[in-house]
Amino acid sequence: AQTVTQSQPEMSVQEAETVTLSCTYDTSESNYYLFWYKQPPSRQMILVIRQEAYKQQNATENRFSVNFQKAAKSFSLKISDSQLGDTAMYFCAFDDMRFGAGTRLTVKP
Amino acid sequence: DAGVTQSPTHLIKTRGQHVTLRCSPISGHKSVSWYQQVLGQGPQFIFQYYEKEERGRGNFPDRFSARQFPNYSSELNVNALLLGDSALYLCASSWTGAVSSNQPQHFGDGTRLSIL
Repeated sequence: AQTVTQSQPEMSVQEAETVTLSCTYDTSESNYYLFWYKQPPSRQMILVIRQEAYKQQNATENRFSVNFQKAAKSFSLKISDSQLGDTAMYFCAFDDMRFGAGTRLTVKP
Repeated sequence: DAGVTQSPTHLIKTRGQHVTLRCSPISGHKSVSWYQQVLGQGPQFIFQYYEKEERGRGNFPDRFSARQFPNYSSELNVNALLLGDSALYLCASSWTGAVSSNQPQHFGDGTRLSIL
């Protein structure tokens, strides 16, 4: 079974700075998809970014980018120029079904 | 366009009771998935339905069941409620439910279920 591990329960960052959230996973599959979701206190889960395992190029979406290391089974999320609205729980997910325990990110003014 | 809608928003039940949670997908979406999110944890996959057929099932007991209707809305039923069933239940919809498609899932706000 695939497992997803987020080893940082909580993180904080100053506004306008950069922060990286870590995620590792375990699978025997060669083709799969990885996701980062954001869940603000209002609780609706929102897709941040998605990576297809067969693609070498790391996905980017505006201020959000990933560092996908397939051999190491690592999928970290980098948030650049952090904004107060980025404060939320962030979940890493494998194939949109298996989620990590989450990282609570707080952006400080 | 309306997003994924779930009802009720909050629900309080006692142990041993039965509960039905409802989900209406985004118009045009034919796949609905259900997740359980216990406080402080990530969502756990319960079921996925596509075109009224069960496509996937997570590691949950038979007390949990679901179905999808011709209009693609869905119900999640939980029988013989236990204290451990207290959680936020999330519904997500997508066009096909296939991860390989370039269409992401959209989540509803969830139903907060409390068991006393």
